[in-house]
Amino acid sequence: ETGVTQSPTHLIKTRGQQVTLRCSSQSGHNTVSWYQQALGQGPQFIFQYYREEENGRGNFPPRFSGLQFPNYSSELNVNALELDDSALYLCASSSTDPSVTQYFGPGTRLTVL
Amino acid sequence: EDKVVQSPLSLVVHEGDTVTLNCSYEVTNFRSLLWYKQEKKAPTFLFMLTSSGIEKKSGRLSSILDKKELFSILNITATQTGDSAIYLCAVRGSNYKLTFGKGTLLTVNP
Repeated sequence: ETGVTQSPTHLIKTRGQQVTLRCSSQSGHNTVSWYQQALGQGPQFIFQYYREEENGRGNFPPRFSGLQFPNYSSELNVNALELDDSALYLCASSSTDPSVTQYFGPGTRLTVL
Repeated sequence: EDKVVQSPLSLVVHEGDTVTLNCSYEVTNFRSLLWYKQEKKAPTFLFMLTSSGIEKKSGRLSSILDKKELFSILNITATQTGDSAIYLCAVRGSNYKLTFGKGTLLTVNP
């Protein structure tokens, strides 16, 4: 186990709704990254948070937003859900030290109907 | 834009076989290359490679990086059914994000 936790495990929403996913990072890690993994694909980088600020973003629209809290836990919010948002959402915690790898949480499976 | 290509995309072998998984990449300001194993949900960390030519080994798994030719291989010897999984390769550039390939789906039959 990596020490990274995510909630909820599974979620079913309908188009147009909003969703919030949560992640608690591993002790000692100050950076949280979020990834979207569609079926049959590798994880795609959404964004990264360091010290409560977004410091990197992938090719995702603004309806994907996030927060990081002083204890380094994080939230991913997705507004106006679309069918293509159905995926496994993975959170990874790490340090800005490049010698420290990223450890992933168990993920949240989001289904949009 | 950073890019990672893995091959083959899928592979079926028998227990006891040796497999080699390939990963080629293009990345700005390379920092590291990582291999992960994904069975159900969370990718689990296998190796992080930063230097060329130095083999990393863990049991039956080993990996090596060639920074000149921009590729890495992951070898699994004496495969077991428990090795069945998706193997993901990712590179980390100067902005610290990981760029993943599509993965190789390995199936090991008894």
